[in-house]
Amino acid sequence: DIQMTQSPSSLSASLGAGVTITCRASQGIRNDLGWYQQKPGKAPKRLIYAASILQSGVPSRFSGSGSGTEFTLTINSLQPEDSATYYCLQHNSYPYTFGQGTKLEIK
Amino acid sequence: EEQVVESGGGLIQPGGSLRLSCAASGFSVNFNYMTWVRQAPGKGLEWVSVVDTDGTTYYADSVKGRFTISRDNSNNTLFLQMDSLTAEDTAVYYCARDQGYIYGLDVWGQGTTVTVSS
Repeated sequence: DIQMTQSPSSLSASLGAGVTITCRASQGIRNDLGWYQQKPGKAPKRLIYAASILQSGVPSRFSGSGSGTEFTLTINSLQPEDSATYYCLQHNSYPYTFGQGTKLEIK
Repeated sequence: EEQVVESGGGLIQPGGSLRLSCAASGFSVNFNYMTWVRQAPGKGLEWVSVVDTDGTTYYADSVKGRFTISRDNSNNTLFLQMDSLTAEDTAVYYCARDQGYIYGLDVWGQGTTVTVSS
């Protein structure tokens, strides 16, 4: 099974600042990776697919990069509504695996 | 609009069985891979199972032999039959459309809660 190691597990950043979240795969997954945002009591929402393609309707302050084993999600100009938990998901092979999640707090 | 709506969750005793349903609209379950993902209270997301367009199924090791994924094409509905439930199966269960390589899980339901407790 492919292991996804996501870091950090939590972070706190100021309004208007930028943050980066990283996911590392235990083996190469090409660009078969998505980033999801989840708010309490809600279903996950896809932000990025194919590692770097922005889901329609998602603000352009979100961006993704990477290929193979190293991936990043960057959020610029943080807004209050960005407070959430973020997960990466590898969908290269079954069983699909998620990163452990990153809880983002906006100060 | 493409959407899925889960149902069938509830409180069940350890060792019991439950069948979850996921009604799709705006697309056909038989022409898409369909997946179940769960989230235990306060924990992260865990992929559970998938059924592909040929009917081939895959399961997480944690549910293999106890859970069965299936679909009813005529009613455009996905199912998850859960047997021999334990407290570790307590979670919100999400249904999602699986677009596979590159695209991943795109359409998600709101989830249905399963609580296994005596």
